[in-house]
Amino acid sequence: GDSVTQMEGPVTLSEEAFLTINCTYTATGYPSLFWYVQYPGEGLQLLLKATKADDKGSNKGFEATYRKETTSFHLEKGSVQVSDSAVYFCALRSRPTGANSKLTFGKGITLSVRP
Amino acid sequence: EADIYQTPRYLVIGTGKKITLECSQTMGHDKMYWYQQDPGMELHLIHYSYGVNSTEKGDLSSESTVSRIRTEHFPLTLESARPSHTSQYLCASSEASYGYTFGSGTRLTVV
Repeated sequence: GDSVTQMEGPVTLSEEAFLTINCTYTATGYPSLFWYVQYPGEGLQLLLKATKADDKGSNKGFEATYRKETTSFHLEKGSVQVSDSAVYFCALRSRPTGANSKLTFGKGITLSVRP
Repeated sequence: EADIYQTPRYLVIGTGKKITLECSQTMGHDKMYWYQQDPGMELHLIHYSYGVNSTEKGDLSSESTVSRIRTEHFPLTLESARPSHTSQYLCASSEASYGYTFGSGTRLTVV
């Protein structure tokens, strides 16, 4: 079955540090890949997505590239801010998309950014 | 601006009480989902629906029940709340080929 593996957390960084959060997946076919972010006390928000190999999703300074050869979708940001402190979830949606297609989530990782 | 609404945001209730967590969306999505989020932040799918009068149990067994009488409404009910039901509950909806839109969640505490 489908699965998403995220690196173990939590992660604590100083402001302006470089961020990498690893995500690898197992799926049949060519899934769509997503990163979601959950700020304290809120639901999840879509951060970025990629729907085919070599696609790069980007938003709010975050980027992730769909790497089919390594089955990875690592999240990166060049300079984190205190406001980036949140929980980050990697997810996939298998194809074909249809009535039985659901998102598979990783376990999430908590990022704390110190001033 | 939220297109999916969950009420209440916070609920503290006594053991044995019946509760209903509300979830409504204005996007016309056929697919809706309920997740339970544990203190470690991991998400567990407990119920989903692919349309009116269609409901299925998710990956995590739950004592809760759901109904889908209208496209926009997907309430979750606990007939008799227990302290073990204390958790964050997240509702989401989606179209076929896209990601999910989540509500802000209901934090339930059973005392």
